Amino acid sequence: QVQLHQSGPGLVKPSQTLSLTCVISGDSVSSNNAAWNWIRQSPSRGLEWLGTTYYRSKWYNDFAVSVKSRITINPDTSKNQFSLQLNSVTPEDTAVYYCVRGLAISGFDNWGQGTLVTVSS
Amino acid sequence: EIVLTQSPGTLSLSPGERATLSCRASQSVSSSYLAWYQQKPGQAPRLLIYGTSNRATGIPDRFSGSGSGTDFTLIISRLEPEDFAVYYCQQYGSSIFTFGPGTTVDI
Repeated sequence: QVQLHQSGPGLVKPSQTLSLTCVISGDSVSSNNAAWNWIRQSPSRGLEWLGTTYYRSKWYNDFAVSVKSRITINPDTSKNQFSLQLNSVTPEDTAVYYCVRGLAISGFDNWGQGTLVTVSS
Repeated sequence: EIVLTQSPGTLSLSPGERATLSCRASQSVSSSYLAWYQQKPGQAPRLLIYGTSNRATGIPDRFSGSGSGTDFTLIISRLEPEDFAVYYCQQYGSSIFTFGPGTTVDI
């Protein structure tokens, strides 16, 4: 049974960096079948996919155009986790952030519990 | 980027009734990569349907999906009280994954 557990601060100041971590149990961040995603949800933007990291003999990343210049997603094989960093945040980045496992055929089948991140001074 | 639109925005029904939810894409989506999710207040979305018509693990058979190209449908054959929620479609066939804005099914 796959479980994803997120952690990170709930309040970030404007212009600073938002950092979240997602610990995986029941699967491996290095799986050749899964992709590890960050998705956020806000009333104004709905569900918004931010980016993914996955291993297929080597590591790959894909990012949404809207955040491509500000986002980093890193796997950590020693801790079986992956992380999100979003730089230069503004109040528009206020949202509930989810880490999510994706499978090529069967979509996003496992979600973390969600973290409300508020960008405010 | 493929844009997904959903209709109606809100569907007001009663338990036992049939719900028909629509998802339309701005360009063709491979049927293998269209999914539906259910979200209840305070919870993460839950995968219901993947590959247009395949129910995810543990999803009851009153949920069914169909469609192709740019038009997809989720049907809930007989609404149970726990089915009142928001439903999102999603395409995951391109390198940029997108979600629809959601349909609220309420009483």
